[in-house]
Amino acid sequence: TQLLEQSPQFLSIQEGENLTVYCNSSSVFSSLQWYRQEPGEGPVLLVTVVTGGEVKKLKRLTFQFGDARKDSSLHITAAQPGDTGLYLCAGAAAGTASKLTFGTGTRLQVTL
Amino acid sequence: DVKVTQSSRYLVKRTGEKVFLECVQDMDHENMFWYRQDPGLGLRLIYFSYDVKMKEKGDIPEGYSVSREKKERFSLILESASTNQTSMYLCASSFPWAYGYTFGSGTRLTVV
Repeated sequence: TQLLEQSPQFLSIQEGENLTVYCNSSSVFSSLQWYRQEPGEGPVLLVTVVTGGEVKKLKRLTFQFGDARKDSSLHITAAQPGDTGLYLCAGAAAGTASKLTFGTGTRLQVTL
Repeated sequence: DVKVTQSSRYLVKRTGEKVFLECVQDMDHENMFWYRQDPGLGLRLIYFSYDVKMKEKGDIPEGYSVSREKKERFSLILESASTNQTSMYLCASSFPWAYGYTFGSGTRLTVV
């Protein structure tokens, strides 16, 4: 079983601060996805990265896939209370886009 | 709005009961998945299905079975519920060629 470790597990910051969440593995993934989950709801897909070294931006969120496709990061600029939630990375093994392994999650709280 | 619908948001069952969790998707997705989510452990795959009547074990299938008689419906069965099956259960679906899952809102199951 491929494992994805996320760090930090918990993050509490004030509005306007920047933060980075990391997702690391010893395995190579064909693609990596990031999800956000709010309390009482299922995870919602934010982005998919598929090429080593790829960087994608989604408004204040920047996602990067490591060159070796074993790790990824999520950077949030000027965090807002609406960014609060559980962030999950998920990787697809080589040869499949379908079956994902999920990371352990990073719980982010942004306060005013 | 495309949806994955889980039949119950909250369930309380007694030890030894047979429990059925239902999931229906309206997106004509071939792939369907059942995960359980526990604090600090992330999402762990129980079973998945690539087509009607097809099923494959995930990482933690013990104590569970599944049924997929129609493309849109994927049921998770706890043959004899135990307290260690208390968890949040998430259903998801996807196309086999596309990245990203669509998740239901989850069923929080408590076994007493």
